[in-house]
Amino acid sequence: GENVEQHPSTLSVQEGDSAVIKCTYSDSASNYFPWYKQELGKGPQLIIDIRSNVGEKKDQRIAVTLNKTAKHFSLHITETQPEDSAVYFCAASTSNYQLIWGAGTKLIIKP
Amino acid sequence: DVKVTQSSRYLVKRTGEKVFLECVQDMDHENMFWYRQDPGLGLRLIYFSYDVKMKEKGDIPEGYSVSREKKERFSLILESASTNQTSMYLCASSLGWGNTGELFFGEGSRLTVL
Repeated sequence: GENVEQHPSTLSVQEGDSAVIKCTYSDSASNYFPWYKQELGKGPQLIIDIRSNVGEKKDQRIAVTLNKTAKHFSLHITETQPEDSAVYFCAASTSNYQLIWGAGTKLIIKP
Repeated sequence: DVKVTQSSRYLVKRTGEKVFLECVQDMDHENMFWYRQDPGLGLRLIYFSYDVKMKEKGDIPEGYSVSREKKERFSLILESASTNQTSMYLCASSLGWGNTGELFFGEGSRLTVL
């Protein structure tokens, strides 16, 4: 069935360095790819999304890239800060307008 | 700001009890969702609703039911709680058709079934 694989499950980076989280999806009909950030004790919150008609999207320190041929997309965070510490989820849309979610990546920013 | 409020942050119930999880959103969103979040499994969709009194099964509906009597309120019901339903439950809402727009989540309800 449809699935989304997300790697790594835990990522620890030094403050100021960059972080990259990668996801692969199986449904070739997927055309919407959001990323959500979940801080401790809170619900997930959308931080950036991309649709299949573009290859890259940026919003300040955050960027997402999409390779439809290879069926993978990535989240890039530059100049990481302590407040970037959280769990990040990727997701991909399905043909029936739902989302399939990755398992999540715990990002730890070391001071 | 959109606000999705889940009435109970933490619940402890016994096996076989009936459990109600309530969710209210204040932005007149058409769509509401119940997800279950477990470590290493991401978010899994239990049920969703595109309109009042309308419900659709998600990926893991077994053991759950839902109710949407008013547009702003979506309830998740565990008819007879079991220990494998111990989890974090997240409610979400979104505007517009389909699940390809921004989801607004509540803070979650952590349920423990003993």
